[in-house]
Amino acid sequence: DAGVIQSPRHEVTEMGQEVTLRCKPISGHDYLFWYRQTMMRGLELLIYFNNNVPIDDSGMPEDRFSAKMPNASFSTLKIQPSEPRDSAVYFCASRRAGNYNEQFFGPGTRLTVL
Amino acid sequence: ELKVEQNPLFLSMQEGKNYTIYCNYSTTSDRLYWYRQDPGKSLESLFVLLSNGAVKQEGRLMASLDTKARLSTLHITAAVHDLSATYFCAVNNNNDMRFGAGTRLTVKP
Repeated sequence: DAGVIQSPRHEVTEMGQEVTLRCKPISGHDYLFWYRQTMMRGLELLIYFNNNVPIDDSGMPEDRFSAKMPNASFSTLKIQPSEPRDSAVYFCASRRAGNYNEQFFGPGTRLTVL
Repeated sequence: ELKVEQNPLFLSMQEGKNYTIYCNYSTTSDRLYWYRQDPGKSLESLFVLLSNGAVKQEGRLMASLDTKARLSTLHITAAVHDLSATYFCAVNNNNDMRFGAGTRLTVKP
């Protein structure tokens, strides 16, 4: 059974460019979460979806960040325009409703904005 | 707002020794999770603790939960080098989770 899949695994871009991160949750999971991890701020929840609907986006740092989930098997996190302070590891996680709320994490995307 | 605090944040210990990592949280919650993260890797689920007094053990790691004290512990018995990693606790917050800052454990020979 495939776990959470994220792409790309590494992204290096220049300030001002648009960045799109992709996530495929585990099949059958109803919830999808986007996290950002940095040394300074630790692991932060950015946004989460339930049945493809955004439920809580209070962690999205600013309007430059947007996330979508067009169907149950795909989500994107977009940063436009990107800034050096966006450099971090971005994790996607998913879980099944009622499964003790246990989340399963993808391998992460390491983003570097120059 | 739910706050989750871990201590210590850094832990260096010798092989064969025992130690405990603590996780305190600020509001009532009935579920607590422990994750492990190796450098450059993702988070791996270790334990899910569902009720007061819950205790779970896997190898040299044992986790417990005291919901009245809002405290969970992760006890390491006779540490080995392979346990070197960062350990996170996380607390259920409605439908999502709040993570502690992590404890970076280094086990030295």
